[in-house]
Amino acid sequence: GENVEQHPSTLSVQEGDSAVIKCTYSDSASNYFPWYKQELGKRPQLIIDIRSNVGEKKDQRIAVTLNKTAKHFSLHITETQPEDSAVYFCAATEGGGADGLTFGKGTHLIIQP
Amino acid sequence: DAGVIQSPRHEVTEMGQEVTLRCKPISGHNSLFWYRQTMMRGLELLIYFNNNVPIDDSGMPEDRFSAKMPNASFSTLKIQPSEPRDSAVYFCASSIDRVSTEAFFGQGTRLTVV
Repeated sequence: GENVEQHPSTLSVQEGDSAVIKCTYSDSASNYFPWYKQELGKRPQLIIDIRSNVGEKKDQRIAVTLNKTAKHFSLHITETQPEDSAVYFCAATEGGGADGLTFGKGTHLIIQP
Repeated sequence: DAGVIQSPRHEVTEMGQEVTLRCKPISGHNSLFWYRQTMMRGLELLIYFNNNVPIDDSGMPEDRFSAKMPNASFSTLKIQPSEPRDSAVYFCASSIDRVSTEAFFGQGTRLTVV
């Protein structure tokens, strides 16, 4: 089955700086890679996703890059703000959201004022 | 739509008791997932259904866990008998179909087994 590794487990950055979270996956058949944000006591919510037929996707301050050869994908957040503080999870699956997602262990992002 | 609805939000039970968690997916969604979240193991996929049929239950930890989806608008996850190590937040999620991409999560059920 799929195995997703996520690093770092905790990331502290100054407000306004950029944050990068990295994930690797094991199953070369995986072709859908979403990122979820979970605030304390809340549900995980999708913030951005990418399919294997593209190498990069951007939505305002967040972007995701994918390297299928290396089985590696990353989340980039620019101009970080206090409301970006949360736990971020990467995930991978073969197929779309209708197949079960395998999640990384999560990254606790802390934005320092 | 109110989103994915789970009940109860919190459950405290004694070891050995039966626990039933409930989920109502978003209307029109054909896939339903049960996840368990703990600090140590993160978010784990337990089981998922497509068109009410269980597709993959390889994540169900033991025979004490069972899940059903009798119709398109309702699913249950049952633990019998419950043990303290089952304490976790259990999330239900749903998505439209194999073409759609986003899985929508419910608010979760925080289970504490004492």
